[in-house]
Amino acid sequence: DAGITQSPRHKVTETGTPVTLRCHQTENHRYMYWYRQDPGHGLRLIHYSYGVKDTDKGEVSDGYSVSRSKTEDFLLTLESATSSQTSVYFCAISEGRDGNYGYTFGSGTRLTVV
Amino acid sequence: AQSVTQPDIHITVSEGASLELRCNYSYGATPYLFWYVQSPGQGLQLLLKYFSGDTLVQGIKGFEAEFKRSQSSFNLRKPSVHWSDAAEYFCAVGAGGFKTIFGAGTRLFVKA
Repeated sequence: DAGITQSPRHKVTETGTPVTLRCHQTENHRYMYWYRQDPGHGLRLIHYSYGVKDTDKGEVSDGYSVSRSKTEDFLLTLESATSSQTSVYFCAISEGRDGNYGYTFGSGTRLTVV
Repeated sequence: AQSVTQPDIHITVSEGASLELRCNYSYGATPYLFWYVQSPGQGLQLLLKYFSGDTLVQGIKGFEAEFKRSQSSFNLRKPSVHWSDAAEYFCAVGAGGFKTIFGAGTRLFVKA
């Protein structure tokens, strides 16, 4: 319905393993974002993309990388997962930069690092 | 520094009663302001947004918000709360340069 899907919805992984989360959109929006949500912190921006192969860091980018090879897909990779990366991860899309049009969010991926 | 403050971590309201959720921001220029709602296990959904013009904005699900520049506030209101409104509400400000700052959220409980 929303035109943005995240996979997987839940994942448990071990410390030190790489993990990739996928965001797929069917809205053809140029701008895509990865956020993490932690209690008491609201949402914090990890990385964002302003076009195919155009990405940049957000405020909490350490330990994360992203790739965008197609307009519709935005991948978030945890190179070597740590317990501090246990969180709920949200992908978002927007029509304009800065999210000034407002975001459309995916349903999230709950990641647990053990 | 740019920031968004939601003073109330949680609020309990009786069904049918009015609701006001507070949001204060710190931002040097005229901000873009948003309210989002998040139901359990779901992503955030945009309720309404303010860019310019009329300071009272209407959103979905019967919500409205009023921008008060003098108070640096953007409070969310609803005249009559329904049980289905129980959720977490986030205020956010578009701070430019791909940066949107979210408040920590206010969880709304609705009692019968």
